[in-house]
Amino acid sequence: DQQVKQNSPSLSVQEGRISILNCDYTNSMFDYFLWYKKYPAEGPTFLISISSIKDKNEDGRFTVFLNKSAKHLSLHIVPSQPGDSAVYFCAVKRPGNKLVFGAGTILRVKS
Amino acid sequence: NAGVTQTPKFQVLKTGQSMTLQCAQDMNHEYMSWYRQDPGMGLRLIHYSVGAGITDQGEVPNGYNVSRSTTEDFPLRLLSAAPSQTSVYFCASGTGGVGEKLFFGSGTQLSVL
Repeated sequence: DQQVKQNSPSLSVQEGRISILNCDYTNSMFDYFLWYKKYPAEGPTFLISISSIKDKNEDGRFTVFLNKSAKHLSLHIVPSQPGDSAVYFCAVKRPGNKLVFGAGTILRVKS
Repeated sequence: NAGVTQTPKFQVLKTGQSMTLQCAQDMNHEYMSWYRQDPGMGLRLIHYSVGAGITDQGEVPNGYNVSRSTTEDFPLRLLSAAPSQTSVYFCASGTGGVGEKLFFGSGTQLSVL
């Protein structure tokens, strides 16, 4: 029972262009959504989050959009840089404050 | 600023052996947790703790034990290792019992032969 799905295992983008990473979830009761970034041989690091009462949150080059009716979350990176190449995980907070993660999307930014 | 420290970084075990993965944090976080990462599966929660003396099961707890005797430490024990436990293990900590923003260690790569 996959509660969080990242349907694109990988994404390749040219430097300077927009990267869009997508995430779908199944339960409308989730109230908090997060994105983590992971480099090889390192632990995931927190990137950006959004509460269910909002539909957009920005932090520099990173913007997260939440479409509650579609149960869809997306992360936009503009402009993309080679240093953004990493695995991106979306996560949702379940009742009881447990985080459930998607399978991850590998982003490659080509220079 | 150490953050979350995991040891060892790599470990190879034989089936049936036991071992303990260590995790320590110096941020005075109440919430600590263990995840395993497998290809195509994302990060799955094994066990978590909302404070010293309190632990609970996550999504995939079978084969693992935890204890939380201090705020700083949250070891994960494999009592009898199985090949299905070959994975990368991450320890994470967060503020209060909420855990929205987790700080992760660098991981332990475990192979069970």
